[in-house]
This record gives sequence, C-alpha cells and structure tokens, in this order.
Amino acid sequence: KAGVTQTPRYLIKTRGQQVTLSCSPISGHRSVSWYQQTPGQGLQFLFEYFSETQRNKGNFPGRFSGRQFSNSRSEMNVSTLELGDSALYLCASHRPPSGNTGELFFGEGSRLTVL
Amino acid sequence: KQEVTQIPAALSVPEGENLVLNCSFTDSAIYNLQWFRQDPGKGLTSLLLIQSSQREQTSGRLNASLDKSSGRSTLYIAASQPGDSATYLCAVFVEYGNKLVFGAGTILRVKS
Repeated sequence: KAGVTQTPRYLIKTRGQQVTLSCSPISGHRSVSWYQQTPGQGLQFLFEYFSETQRNKGNFPGRFSGRQFSNSRSEMNVSTLELGDSALYLCASHRPPSGNTGELFFGEGSRLTVL
Repeated sequence: KQEVTQIPAALSVPEGENLVLNCSFTDSAIYNLQWFRQDPGKGLTSLLLIQSSQREQTSGRLNASLDKSSGRSTLYIAASQPGDSATYLCAVFVEYGNKLVFGAGTILRVKS
C-alpha cells in the first residue's frame, strides 16, 4: 500500500515568487492536512481538507492557500514568497472512517528554500 | 490554547540502555496522542497512537502511556540501539481545529 507522496521533494525559489506543492494521500483517505516545520517554530498546522472542503486553517497569512481535488489529492500554494517561508512542508493523510480518532500518516515533505 | 512540552530536549545514552521520553500537554480535551520519529531531513514516521480512552500502547521495544487527566505521556524505549537515534515528537489531536499540536521534540543519540 503506497504511502503519502509529496512532490517536489526539494525546490529553491526567490523572494516574491510563488510555489505550488502537491500531496497524494494514502488510497482511501479523504482527509489531508498540511504542516510547516521550521527550526524556530517547530511543526505548525497550516490547514486541513476533507472532501474538497477546507475544514480548518491555522494562523498563517492569506499568502498560504490550498485546495483538494475530487480524488483527495491536495495542493498548497504560497504566493509572494518571503525568506521566512523557507521550511519543510509536510502533508498528512488521515485514516477514515472513525472521524477524528484516527492516525495521521505523513509524507517525506517538500523542502522549500527561499533566496 | 493547547501547548505540548517535551522533556528532555536532547538525550545521549550508551547502547543498551532503557530510556524514557516525556511529553506534557495543557488541555485534556484531546482525541488521541501520537508519538512520531523523524530522521534528519525526512518526514514523520508514526510510532504509536494512543486513543484518549486508552492508557498505553506497545509496539516491539516501544511502550507509550497516557494519563489524560494529568496531561502527561511517556515513551519508553527498551534496550536502545544506535538505529534509534532520531528526533522523537509527541503530538496531541485536539478536539477543536481537527489538527495535531506538536511538541518541540527530543533529539536522541544512542552511542555504540
């Protein structure tokens, strides 16, 4: 059974550019969450999608956005990149069907460097 | 606001030692607690999941306990090995927000 797949694994951008990251959850999982990991702030919740709807959003500026497709794949987008956006972005897939009691499975992450 | 604290921040032990990693959280309104392992530059690997109604879970040399009322969890690693060297993260799934709140992690080094 394939795990959570994130692409690209590494990318370098310059300030002001935008970036799109992709996440394919485990087959059958309908909930996808995104987290940002930095040395200073640790792991922080970005947003969570279920059945193409954003259910929750963390405390991040509007430059951070996301969406989920009908096949449960998700993308997140960061516009007008800043140096502080350099981080490891992790996607998590949530096991159904028992609501919020399930286990989250993470991908390998997309490491973004902003120059 | 839920806050998760992990102690110690770093730990270095000789191979073969049994060790305990600690995690505390401020709000008992959680669905579950998960322990993860993270190797340098990698994603998170789930080690153990404890539901809020459970007291402990075991997987191989790992045992995790949960005391929801006191807001504490411990991860016990028996007979540590150099391959156990990694960062161990504790996270609680909060009832509000449908999200995990993470601790800062414990960096473990097991020396051969």
